[in-house]
Amino acid sequence: TQLLEQSPQFLSIQEGENLTVYCNSSSVFSSLQWYRQEPGEGPVLLVTVVTGGEVKKLKRLTFQFGDARKDSSLHITAAQPGDTGLYLCAGRRTGAGSYQLTFGKGTKLSVIP
Amino acid sequence: NAGVTQTPKFRILKIGQSMTLQCAQDMNHNYMYWYRQDPGMGLKLIYYSVGAGITDKGEVPNGYNVSRSTTEDFPLRLELAAPSQTSVYFCASSYSFRESEQYFGPGTRLTVT
Repeated sequence: TQLLEQSPQFLSIQEGENLTVYCNSSSVFSSLQWYRQEPGEGPVLLVTVVTGGEVKKLKRLTFQFGDARKDSSLHITAAQPGDTGLYLCAGRRTGAGSYQLTFGKGTKLSVIP
Repeated sequence: NAGVTQTPKFRILKIGQSMTLQCAQDMNHNYMYWYRQDPGMGLKLIYYSVGAGITDKGEVPNGYNVSRSTTEDFPLRLELAAPSQTSVYFCASSYSFRESEQYFGPGTRLTVT
């Protein structure tokens, strides 16, 4: 059972377009992280959201944690070729199992110049 | 700081062979993790450690063993390699396991034929 569903799985857009990536679950998470991974490298943390309804901005990237802490979104404004990569959401469960992160399958983004 | 280092970068094993994937971190992190990443499947936790001498199973531990004799090193042992263990393996470390960032190594691409 995939605990975190990411959509879309693949996204190819032109430079300058906006996009949103979604991360959904039926489970509640104590926190949620977004990572970006480039080919041949390990994931790198972009942001951690902890509070339901929280919105964080990182330059052209906006992250939101759902009010019920079951979902999150990543919005990129005016995408650049440098945004190309695999975007992974990862949630930390509450209670038993809180030691581990549960990763989504990822969204592979290609930004075409 | 080198961060998290992994060796080797690539390895091809024959079915039934054994090998050890090396992982080291120089950030004095207590928490270390081993993940595997299969195409389109996100990252799955194999084992984790909360400090020297303490390890525990993650989501997919079968076929693997770990040890943690020092804070810096966290090797992953594959005994009797099987084709199902073909994957990219990532080691990661963190200061704590709450909301802190996990720092990933560059990965080891393993093929079992």
